[in-house]
Amino acid sequence: GQNIDQPTEMTATEGAIVQINCTYQTSGFNGLFWYQQHAGEAPTFLSYNVLDGLEEKGRFSSFLSRSKGYSYLLLKELQMKDSASYLCAVGDSNYQLIWGAGTKLIIKP
Amino acid sequence: IAGITQAPTSQILAAGRRMTLRCTQDMRHNAMYWYRQDLGLGLRLIHYSNTAGTTGKGEVPDGYSVSRANTDDFPLTLASAVPSQTSVYFCASSEAASTGANVLTFGAGSRLTVL
Repeated sequence: GQNIDQPTEMTATEGAIVQINCTYQTSGFNGLFWYQQHAGEAPTFLSYNVLDGLEEKGRFSSFLSRSKGYSYLLLKELQMKDSASYLCAVGDSNYQLIWGAGTKLIIKP
Repeated sequence: IAGITQAPTSQILAAGRRMTLRCTQDMRHNAMYWYRQDLGLGLRLIHYSNTAGTTGKGEVPDGYSVSRANTDDFPLTLASAVPSQTSVYFCASSEAASTGANVLTFGAGSRLTVL
């Protein structure tokens, strides 16, 4: 079957760094996506990885290892507004996204 | 402002009633999707449309139907609502379904409660 695993909840301190992990098993692979979702709002696109390695975009970076079925999202210089759920999704062989349940990130002052 | 509009924002519905959730996009995206989001679960695909005039079934299609008469509109219909269809429904679109960089743009969501 197809499966995306990520931690349910994480807590971090304002100004610190946090890494949110995602492991996946899917039928086919057509990219790994990270989305951010604030409570009561729609998900918004953060990053896309299709090749192994690190993609950096400002304070956010995303890493992919296809051989290990593993990705992480790295958030630096955490701000209170980063409190949100972070959703990992993988494109399967039909280019449809398979979604993890999301990681709720709580930022404390 | 370009994007996706969903209606209604929220609705309480009696079991057995018919309900249509509306979705309109103005980005001329080819592909559109309906997801439901339930606490503790990932987004689950209900139905999708890769292009106007075509639709396909997702992971959880039972009890739902869709149509795609034109590029912009993708309504979702619950023929006879049941309490298990209580959820938040998101409509989304992307430029194309057949490329790897299939970035989705989401609507604000429709919160549906079936009593």
